[in-house]
Amino acid sequence: EVQLLESGGGLVQPGGSLRLSCAASGFIFSSYGMNWVRQAPGKGLEWVSVITASGGTTYYADSVKGRFTVSRDNSKNTLYLQMNSLRAEDTALYYCAKGLRNSLAVPDYWGQGTLVTVSS
Amino acid sequence: NFMLTQPHSVSESPGKTVTISCTRSSGSIASNFVQWYQQRPGSSPTTVIYEDNQRPSGVPDRFSGSIDSSSNSASLTISGLKTEDEADYYCHSYDSSNQVFGGGTKLTVL
Repeated sequence: EVQLLESGGGLVQPGGSLRLSCAASGFIFSSYGMNWVRQAPGKGLEWVSVITASGGTTYYADSVKGRFTVSRDNSKNTLYLQMNSLRAEDTALYYCAKGLRNSLAVPDYWGQGTLVTVSS
Repeated sequence: NFMLTQPHSVSESPGKTVTISCTRSSGSIASNFVQWYQQRPGSSPTTVIYEDNQRPSGVPDRFSGSIDSSSNSASLTISGLKTEDEADYYCHSYDSSNQVFGGGTKLTVL
């Protein structure tokens, strides 16, 4: 059974930093691209970033480019999202989502999310 | 970057059929697969359709997906509506470096 467990969310001041983690199990982590998707309170889904199975290629939404960095440690079956220069509009529930397959990393299975609140 | 536009809300009675549309603003809808996700209140999204019209195991065949190149849109059709189908539904697609979700459609089954 695919399991994705996000952690690392919390309250942070504007301009601050936070690192999210997503521990994966139930599938061969190193064979799948992985995504971060966020959802602001009461709003829709917004894709944030994707990383290929090897970690060699990453893409970002324009809204986070230059501030967020996605990475992965395939030896630990863990996905990360380093978030810097946080803004109030980054407040959201952050989901990690497994890609459908290595050649098509669209979200497939989703975790329960970790809440990030950016406020002074 | 392209956008995906969905109706804000739809409603229908139990047992009926409802169709939710998703229109791509630029680029061909047929160029990249479309996915559909269901999100019940307080829960994470789950996949109901992937690759335009494929159902994951466990998703009932009451759910079907299609694309229409003439209108550059995708559709999610749910037949034999049940109260448990009441949820938000999001379409999704991508291009070479970007992924996009539609704004979501709230389905009310009343």
